[in-house]
This record gives sequence, structure tokens and C-alpha cells, in this order.
Amino acid sequence: GESVGLHLPTLSVQEGDNSIINCAYSNSASDYFIWYKQESGKGPQFIIDIRSNMDKRQGQRVTVLLNKTVKHLSLQIAATQPGDSAVYFCAETSNDYKLSFGAGTTVTVRA
Amino acid sequence: DTAVSQTPKYLVTQMGNDKSIKCEQNLGHDTMYWYKQDSKKFLKIMFSYNNKELIINETVPNRFSPKSPDKAHLNLHINSLELGDSAVYFCASSQGLQGGGGYTFGSGTRLTVV
Repeated sequence: GESVGLHLPTLSVQEGDNSIINCAYSNSASDYFIWYKQESGKGPQFIIDIRSNMDKRQGQRVTVLLNKTVKHLSLQIAATQPGDSAVYFCAETSNDYKLSFGAGTTVTVRA
Repeated sequence: DTAVSQTPKYLVTQMGNDKSIKCEQNLGHDTMYWYKQDSKKFLKIMFSYNNKELIINETVPNRFSPKSPDKAHLNLHINSLELGDSAVYFCASSQGLQGGGGYTFGSGTRLTVV
């Protein structure tokens, strides 16, 4: 089976609210995790990454949390905007050459 | 100034045909990849090349043959196309994942086999 997965395939959020997207992984050897955003008709775009020696990392309006004990990763988006509507993927790797992706969560922002 | 460019963007072809998708990156990355995205949006690695050498072949049928003439190019040739090959194919590049920054993806090639 695949090494990463997401808890929910879809998420609907009110504009201005915070969004939380969850991801579970099973590979204990994973040491590098990335969140990607894919808009319709485009390739996945890097959002933020985190290494296994960290449990939190913040970017601009985004925060990634890593809980290695339960093998859980989450992406928090603050003050969600219409432009945040997209499919979000978590990905993990334990080597230099292969990222394994979860199935994706489709986020829809309601005006 | 596109970082990873792949052509064509759309490809419609009949079963049994042979087709190629081209990919070029101008980021100076050493590693390039092909991923397949199915109708459920699931992304699965097909091939990984590092400095023109094949690193990963993820049990892809041998009808798929990647070619890397130099480290800036990774093309994908598909023989005897089947209906199940219909998908979006993404090229990507990286400077080694452990260095951070993940992949940079192209915009995808939507292949439709009829």
C-alpha cells in the first residue's frame, strides 16, 4: 500500500476561517515531509516542508505540524482566501530520489 | 523563464499509437522525474534520473521508455498506447530531496487515449 494518506478527501471552509488539512503516514524511516498545492490545470506547487527533527515550521499564513509518535502531519492555513482553493497533497521521503504522495484533499473556500 | 517545461500540454491519440512527451528544466537540477496522476488525482512516481542515469523505475510497463540526453532533459516515449494510459503526466526536477525544497513540477501533459 501507499505510505502516506489523508484523512479527508474534501474540506469546505468559510473565507477568513483557518483551515486544517491532515495527513497520516506509515513509513517510520520517513525523514522529510512536504506539502504541495495543486490548482486546476497546473502542476503541484511547493508550499512548505519539514524535517523529522522538527515538530513545527511556519511560513507565510501556513504552518506544518509533525507528530512522529503517531505518524501524523498537518497543514494549517490561516485566514483562508479564495485563492487557497486547490488540491493539497502531503508527501514524504526517506531518500534523495523519491517522494511518495498522499491522495490529496480538495479545499473549497466559500465566500 | 519557465523552470520545468513539458510539451505537449494536451495529447489525444488512438490506441496502439506511439507518442512522446518532452521535458526540459533550466534550474540546473541534477535529478528529474516522471509522475503519473490518475483520474482520482493520485500521484505516483514512474521514473527518476540523476545526472542522466536511471535511479528509479517503479514497475512501469516496458512500453514506457524514458530518455535523458543530458541532465536538463528527460523525455518519455510510450509505445502501443492503451486506454489505461490516459492520465496527466508530470515531469519534475530537484537538486536532491535531502537538500530541501522538494520538487519543481511542470504543468503536466494530459494524455487521452481513445
